[in-house]
Amino acid sequence: AQSVTQPDIHITVSEGASLELRCNYSYGATPYLFWYVQSPGQGLQLLLKYFSGDTLVQGIKGFEAEFKRSQSSFNLRKPSVHWSDAAEYFCAVGASGAGSYQLTFGKGTKLSVIP
Amino acid sequence: GAGVSQSPSNKVTEKGKDVELRCDPISGHTALYWYRQSLGQGLEFLIYFQGNSAPDKSGLPSDRFSAERTGGSVSTLTIQRTQQEDSAVYLCASSVGGGSSSFNEQFFGPGTRLTVL
Repeated sequence: AQSVTQPDIHITVSEGASLELRCNYSYGATPYLFWYVQSPGQGLQLLLKYFSGDTLVQGIKGFEAEFKRSQSSFNLRKPSVHWSDAAEYFCAVGASGAGSYQLTFGKGTKLSVIP
Repeated sequence: GAGVSQSPSNKVTEKGKDVELRCDPISGHTALYWYRQSLGQGLEFLIYFQGNSAPDKSGLPSDRFSAERTGGSVSTLTIQRTQQEDSAVYLCASSVGGGSSSFNEQFFGPGTRLTVL
């Protein structure tokens, strides 16, 4: 079974600073990887996803993530954080293969932004 | 177009009461999922529906939890004899379909926050 670890429960950065949120996964084959963002009182919004191909994927709101197979990681990055980025971020892995559907989520990283 | 909708947005109930949570998936999406989000625990898979196939109930935490999907569209998650540990946000998601070799992106609703007193 797959699993996801987000080592940082809470991160605080200053507005304009760069950001990296860590995500490590465990899965025996090539996974499908996702980053979702959840603002207070909102549902989950997909930021970006990796299925195959280029290991550096671009998402919405200026976010990007890099799939590193050797490190079993899929870290999320943003060069300059905006106050509106304050939210909780979830990394998720989906199993590949026929009939696969289940997402396994990490426990999330809460991002606070100092103006 | 319309996204996944859930109702109610908030539900407060007393321990021992039954509750029903509703999910309206995106039109045309044949797959529907329920997840539970407890404080500090991330999201936990509960149940999956795909078309007319038997649902995958492997994530349901106890027999007090059940779900149905009528007409391949709207789904209801029912929790009987609620307990305080059932307090959580219940999220519904839908996707275009399943059963293929590729993963189908899931779109999430805003959730129902359940509080059991």
